[in-house]
Amino acid sequence: RKEVEQDPGPFNVPEGATVAFNCTYSNSASQSFFWYRQDCRKEPKLLMSVYSSGNEDGRFTAQLNRASQYISLLIRDSKLSDSATYLCVVTGETGYSTLTFGKGTMLLVSP
Amino acid sequence: GAVVSQHPSRVICKSGTSVKIECRSLDFQATTMFWYRQFPKQSLMLMATSNEGSKATYEQGVEKDKFLINHASLTLSTLTVTSAHPEDSSFYICSAGIRGGAGHEQYFGPGTRLTVT
Repeated sequence: RKEVEQDPGPFNVPEGATVAFNCTYSNSASQSFFWYRQDCRKEPKLLMSVYSSGNEDGRFTAQLNRASQYISLLIRDSKLSDSATYLCVVTGETGYSTLTFGKGTMLLVSP
Repeated sequence: GAVVSQHPSRVICKSGTSVKIECRSLDFQATTMFWYRQFPKQSLMLMATSNEGSKATYEQGVEKDKFLINHASLTLSTLTVTSAHPEDSSFYICSAGIRGGAGHEQYFGPGTRLTVT
């Protein structure tokens, strides 16, 4: 089983649509969870952390289900600029734990 | 703040030559730097973790004699790909952890695209 699994997509949605991405992870001891965004041929950039209580940042909502080892990202009112690959990332147990990246889910928002 | 630079951004080299990639934290001290590699349509894979002044810790399957890492100061780490071959062509990305920051906090450089001909 891969450590972090994501549907590669692409998800093709029109502007204004709501889209949701899911991710599962295999290490039950993982402590920290993130969504990163990676534009084509660029480095990944932190989009948001994911907390057990769920968290929202503008149009973006992240949820974590530890029991199911499942993470989600919801994007509302999609913009053209949201087109990118969204990476699900988890850490190990403590400290400068290594970041384990999923392959990413590609989102394409069209006019 | 928390800017990480990499140099060069793109390099093309001949098979058998060595290539050095620099990673610098510009406005903060990075006690730990990480080197990743990403092949097309694949996830970022951690190659090694380096702590300033000590030897790097390599991930399983990464040859330490081929990928030489030096982390001589709190703001600079280098990765040297020795005797490069076409299969080493990839996108190499470094990241830096802020000294005193949250354990998981990493800032990524813009990456170096290596093509070996």
